[in-house]
Amino acid sequence: EVQLVQSGAEVKKPGESLKISCKASGYSFTSNWIGWVRQMPGKGLEWMGFIYPGDSDTRYSPSFQGQVTISADKSISTAYLQWSSLKASDTAMYYCAREMGYCTTFCPDSAFDIWGQGTMVTVSS
Amino acid sequence: EIVLTQSPGTLSLSPGEGATLSCRASQSVSRSYLAWYQQKPGQAPRLLIYDASSRATGIPDRFSGSGSGTDFTLTISRLEPEDFAVYYCQQYGSSPRTFGQGTKVEIK
Repeated sequence: EVQLVQSGAEVKKPGESLKISCKASGYSFTSNWIGWVRQMPGKGLEWMGFIYPGDSDTRYSPSFQGQVTISADKSISTAYLQWSSLKASDTAMYYCAREMGYCTTFCPDSAFDIWGQGTMVTVSS
Repeated sequence: EIVLTQSPGTLSLSPGEGATLSCRASQSVSRSYLAWYQQKPGQAPRLLIYDASSRATGIPDRFSGSGSGTDFTLTISRLEPEDFAVYYCQQYGSSPRTFGQGTKVEIK
């Protein structure tokens, strides 16, 4: 079964650092882009960025560039989203999701077909 | 960046009725690379439609997508009780990918 399993909920203080994870199984991790999506409480979905684990090529939305870092460790089929200094406004549910396009000599643009269960991050003093 | 505007914000309907949801893009979506997702409370989004009109695996045929360029539509032919949820469109033809703000389909 193809699935993405995310790390558990986190409660942090402003200024602290955090790295959350998304472990893939059931498919070749280096064959598809993996993205991160933020959902603030009661709000809609926001595309943050994505990474191609095959060569760690990473793209960010301008809204999130410089605010977070996306990375991947292909040896353990895991993608990461990290913050160096959290703010209260980072409180949200974070989802990882796989783009369905299978990469060969190129990677087709595609929708997110597999989603993780979400990681709730709460930042409060 | 392509801005997606969904309408209406909320749709109040009864089971068995049909639903038409709109997604308008601020510029043409390349190759009709537009998807629709369904999200229920406490759950991750689920892919319904990709490439504007292709149903994802396991999605009932009461869900259909259409459109091209800047105007796209998700149609639910006959609402089942499990279809009451929030629906998002997303374009993936250019970077950054972007989502619409969502349409809530609620029970009337």
